[in-house]
Amino acid sequence: DAGVIQSPRHEVTEMGQEVTLRCKPISGHNSLFWYRQTMMRGLELLIYFNNNVPIDDSGMPEDRFSAKMPNASFSTLKIQPSEPRDSAVYFCASKKGRETQYFGPGTRLLVL
Amino acid sequence: QKEVEQNSGPLSVPEGAIASLNCTYSDRGSQSFFWYRQYSGKSPELIMFIYSNGDKEDGRFTAQLNKASQYVSLLIRDSQPSDSATYLCAVNPMFSGGYNKLIFGAGTRLAVHP
Repeated sequence: DAGVIQSPRHEVTEMGQEVTLRCKPISGHNSLFWYRQTMMRGLELLIYFNNNVPIDDSGMPEDRFSAKMPNASFSTLKIQPSEPRDSAVYFCASKKGRETQYFGPGTRLLVL
Repeated sequence: QKEVEQNSGPLSVPEGAIASLNCTYSDRGSQSFFWYRQYSGKSPELIMFIYSNGDKEDGRFTAQLNKASQYVSLLIRDSQPSDSATYLCAVNPMFSGGYNKLIFGAGTRLAVHP
């Protein structure tokens, strides 16, 4: 079974540009999580969905960040406009029921 | 006070020794506890979880939980250079609605030298 798939794996963009990160969870998993990891702040939960419904978005830093899950096999995290402080590794993770979370390979974002 | 605290390290141990990684948490109602390993440039991968007080063993790894002291640890026996990584402690807080929302510590970097 393929793991969590994220794209792109690397993204370099200029300040002010829109960035869209994509995630395909493991088939059959009904919960999806978006995390951000930096050296300063560690691994932070941004938002999570259960059965495609956003449950907790308290970790979303500000209105520039938005996330959607239009169906069970796809989610996006969008940053508009992007800023240099958004540079980080963004991970998507999924799980089924009360089982543990499985992480994708991450997207390394650099905003210049 | 951070919700999940770990010593950032690095923790340096010789090959073959026991590595002891520690984690404390602030939410007394936390239900489940996880240890993830993260190699440099890679994503976190689960190595152990524990729900009940006491010890849980899996191969060279032992997780220990003391809810009264709000303390969870990971012991790695016969440490190998391939164990060199950052170890993340994660806690499922009480008010997560059963969705296994995890709060992560900052991680402890382990270096096993030959």
